Order: sequence, then C-alpha cells, then structure tokens
Amino acid sequence: VVLTQSPGTLSVSLGETATLSCRASQSISTSYIAWYQQRRGQAPRVLIYGTSVRATGIPDRFSGSGSGRDFTLTISRLEPADLAFYYCQHYDTSPAFGQGTKLEIK
Amino acid sequence: EVVLLESGGDLVRPGESLRLSCEASGFTFSRHGMNWVRQAPGKGLEWVAGVSGSGSSTDYADSVKGRFTISRDSSTSTLFLQMTGLRAEDTAIYYCARVESAWFSYYFDYWGQGTPVTVSS
Repeated sequence: VVLTQSPGTLSVSLGETATLSCRASQSISTSYIAWYQQRRGQAPRVLIYGTSVRATGIPDRFSGSGSGRDFTLTISRLEPADLAFYYCQHYDTSPAFGQGTKLEIK
Repeated sequence: EVVLLESGGDLVRPGESLRLSCEASGFTFSRHGMNWVRQAPGKGLEWVAGVSGSGSSTDYADSVKGRFTISRDSSTSTLFLQMTGLRAEDTAIYYCARVESAWFSYYFDYWGQGTPVTVSS
C-alpha cells in the first residue's frame, strides 16, 4: 500500500485551520492509520492513531478523520509550534509512511 | 519513563558492515514490538525493519532485505540492526521506535533520538 500526501507544502496563517490529506493506493481499515509530527531537528512524535484517536498529551486542536482510501489530519487554531513536517503512516500490513507535508506559517 | 537510546552510527565505506544498538528502558521490553525507521538527509521517513515482542517474527523493507538483520535481546532490553553490504543510499539517521503492541506492525508510540549512518568512500 502506497500513501500519497498532499499538498507537499501548506502555508496557513496563525489562528487558522490546516487540512492535510493522505490517500492510500488501496482501501485501508480505519484502525490502521496514524499521523506524526516532526519538528526540525527532532524525532517524530505520534499525534493520531486508529485514524481519529489522539495520542496521550496531544491537544484537541489536532483531529483525524477518513475512511477507505482517504484520510485527513486537521489542525485548528494554528500556533507557531505547529510549524513542522507531518507524515501519515499505515500499519495494515508492513508499516509504511507517506512522503510528508511541510506546514509553513504564513 | 520510556527511553530509547540508539548508538553505533558511524562513517563507513560502501560494502562495509555496521551494527546499530538501541537500549530500551522504562517498560517491559518483551511485551512490545520494535522497529527501525530511517530518514535520509532532507527526505521523509522510511520504515526499515520490525521484530515482534517475542523475537520470533521479523520483516524488512524491500530496500534492505537480504542485507540487514533485526534482532533483540530481552535479557539486556536491547534492539539491534546488523547492516551489511552498505550503500550510499543507506546514509540516514536511524531511529529506534517502539509500538504499542506485541506485534511489530502498529503505530510507533515512542522514538529514540536517532543515530547517524554515513556511507561514503
């Protein structure tokens, strides 16, 4: 299963909402999609698993949704600390990542 | 507190071998699958290999199959990645990552800080 993320780069103003997409090459169970945030120079950290379950300590500004082949990460009330790369991952079979979306602050 | 500490990264020549280690603490090591994930300079994340909590099941990305071997030692709570036949395209930061399951294919809930591997002549 190949995951394709869009857009490659997203510019959003502080306080606004960012919507990141992840499309799978074939249908995936909603149990098997996760999203990660990677800030510059840091290791990734999990934000969302099981398509919509927030990981421990992740604020409710981050939400995940989707089914079938199309999945979305939504970040509301954008803050400066949200500047990062975001990756989706499936674990339906062997794990695999999308190529990432760079979130810029406009 | 869960801590994953990688070591063993180095500068090596093409064709050489290297063994990476990841010392785990703060959890029952044998109850969790473990994985290696790498990130080439300026690139995205790539899953490399995974091993189940018992160590009985492993899997590899096609790009490393036959060259890399993942293993674990529950007596020392250490994860290993033996890399042979290294190529320039294996240059990356290698992260150790835990999954919230005894199986290895799951979401990664804890990550180490990574160890850099450079393959160059």
